[in-house]
Amino acid sequence: GIQVEQSPPDLILQEGANSTLRCNFSDSVNNLQWFHQNPWGQLINLFYIPSGTKQNGRLSATTVATERYSLLYISSSQTTDSGVYFCAKGTGGYQKVTFGIGTKLQVIP
Amino acid sequence: EAGVAQSPRYKIIEKRQSVAFWCNPISGHATLYWYQQILGQGPKLLIQFQNNGVVDDSQLPKDRFSAERLKGVDSTLKIQPAKLEDSAVYLCASTWDGYEQYFGPGTRLTVT
Repeated sequence: GIQVEQSPPDLILQEGANSTLRCNFSDSVNNLQWFHQNPWGQLINLFYIPSGTKQNGRLSATTVATERYSLLYISSSQTTDSGVYFCAKGTGGYQKVTFGIGTKLQVIP
Repeated sequence: EAGVAQSPRYKIIEKRQSVAFWCNPISGHATLYWYQQILGQGPKLLIQFQNNGVVDDSQLPKDRFSAERLKGVDSTLKIQPAKLEDSAVYLCASTWDGYEQYFGPGTRLTVT
């Protein structure tokens, strides 16, 4: 079955708007990361967040491992936030990693 | 700190030809991963190395794909012979603790 589910699959925002991206995972994790893939294909680390809440500027993330989901918040979105956001979970001693299919975000001026 | 290096950045080959990709992880990172990312999908793990040993290659099409990491540092991924469906971006990532991964820029392969 699907191990990592992301929603929504696509999102269009007006510049300055806020958004929440969701990642559900089907089993326990001891590793969860959020990435931003920019239009040039580079995967940029946003958060390593197996549990709890972290903030970095306009971005923050929360993982509730017991309920098997993670949320990525983007506030005051900018056009440079456009791209695809992936969450990836790792399990096991050697951290076998599985990615979701991503949320494609377009921020329009 | 230098990031994960990959080369080449782009490659176009004809089907049935062979191709090789190179990855140099961040210094000190013991774990190295190769992923395949087909357009519109998330990255799919092909193979994971811990130092120079293979930890997981369950999704590597072993009839045509091979990978090695002989000295526990840089790695090569080879496809021989290539098929049209191998057209994708091949991403290399590394981690020192087995948790937080850092990705290289990728190699975009087009098979015609």
